[in-house]
Amino acid sequence: QIQLVQSGPELKKPGESLKISCKASGYTFTDYAMQWVKQAPGKGLQYMGWINTQTGKPTYADDFKERFVFSLETSASTAYLQINNLKNEDTATYFCARALIWWGQGVMVTVSS
Amino acid sequence: DIQMTQSPHSLSASLGETVSIECLASEGISNYLAWYQQKPGKSPQLLIYYASSLQDGVPSRFSGSGSGTQYSLKISNMQPEDEGVYYCQQGYKYPFTFGSGTKLEIK
Repeated sequence: QIQLVQSGPELKKPGESLKISCKASGYTFTDYAMQWVKQAPGKGLQYMGWINTQTGKPTYADDFKERFVFSLETSASTAYLQINNLKNEDTATYFCARALIWWGQGVMVTVSS
Repeated sequence: DIQMTQSPHSLSASLGETVSIECLASEGISNYLAWYQQKPGKSPQLLIYYASSLQDGVPSRFSGSGSGTQYSLKISNMQPEDEGVYYCQQGYKYPFTFGSGTKLEIK
């Protein structure tokens, strides 16, 4: 069955970087793009963008064009989200999703000094 | 970006009742509209895609309708497990955008 398993929770300080993973199984990884969605505590869903798993080309929504990097490790069927120069407002749960149908369990990221 | 205006913000319903949630797109989205249910601490679950197609495994009491810029989700015969937050999402134009959510509770 299709599964997206994300890495564990993160606690970081402002200015630090982090990289969270999303490992796919149950399908051919390069057949489908991977989407990323942010959900701040108590807030709604915010679409961050997607990465073409065949070419590695990322596309970012406007709010995520700086400091955010989507990448792949195709041999491991894994997608990554890197956030640089973390800010308090990056505190959120980050989801990966295939076609917004199959979702990972989410990674809770807390940024606090 | 296409704006998705969802209403109401919250809703309470009795068991067995029928409820509707509305979503208005800022421009036509050609039925590229999905509905999700999210429960606390969980990932969103797809209920409806392409405005009215029921995702596999989703109970038939959920239905979607609409066209152009106006869409709705109807839940018939409200059940306890239907409590949660519901989101609409347009998949017509990048960046995909979500509505602000509707919190549905049992009265």
